[in-house]
Amino acid sequence: SQTIHQWPATLVQPVGSPLSLECTVEGTSNPNLYWYRQAAGRGLQLLFYSVGIGQISSEVPQNLSASRPQDRQFILSSKKLLLSDSGFYLCAWTSGVSTDTQYFGPGTRLTVL
Amino acid sequence: GQSLEQPSEVTAVEGAIVQINCTYQTSGFYGLSWYQQHDGGAPTFLSYNALDGLEETGRFSSFLSRSDSYGYLLLQELQMKDSASYFCAVCNQAGTALIFGKGTTLSVSS
Repeated sequence: SQTIHQWPATLVQPVGSPLSLECTVEGTSNPNLYWYRQAAGRGLQLLFYSVGIGQISSEVPQNLSASRPQDRQFILSSKKLLLSDSGFYLCAWTSGVSTDTQYFGPGTRLTVL
Repeated sequence: GQSLEQPSEVTAVEGAIVQINCTYQTSGFYGLSWYQQHDGGAPTFLSYNALDGLEETGRFSSFLSRSDSYGYLLLQELQMKDSASYFCAVCNQAGTALIFGKGTTLSVSS
């Protein structure tokens, strides 16, 4: 069966510090991978998605970037965090056939102070 | 671009039936999905409608009308554990990613 991992679960970082969040998927190959951010009490904002290694599409211009160095690994990064980067970061995957059925990881709760 | 509208909050009592509506505007339409998210947790997939009509999965049903750009999630025999946020979602124009509505918070009381 397929599983999706995210780490860390929680993170407190000072403004201006770098960020690296990692997501890995097991039990499937060539998944579509997604990064979402959810502010407290708000909806899901699509940040990046990837349909293959090295292929990244950005939905929202901001100080975040994403990379996909391996088929089942998706990384979200920032060189300098802003207060507004605080939120709940969710990684998700789908098979290439069915984009509508997304499976989410447990999420990383990031607080920028 | 894609946009979705759904009510921000709905309240109901245990055992009742509640309907959460979703209207959408899309450039290209593949289908309407529904997700549930409990407080502090990750969203989980509930249902997907690609064609008009009603899809039933246990106590939950989802309906789609493509001509009206409208769908709803119907929750029957409400339980306290159904208190959560519910999101409708549609694919982007390329069919490669989901765009989510802002979510409806359902509060079930005894």
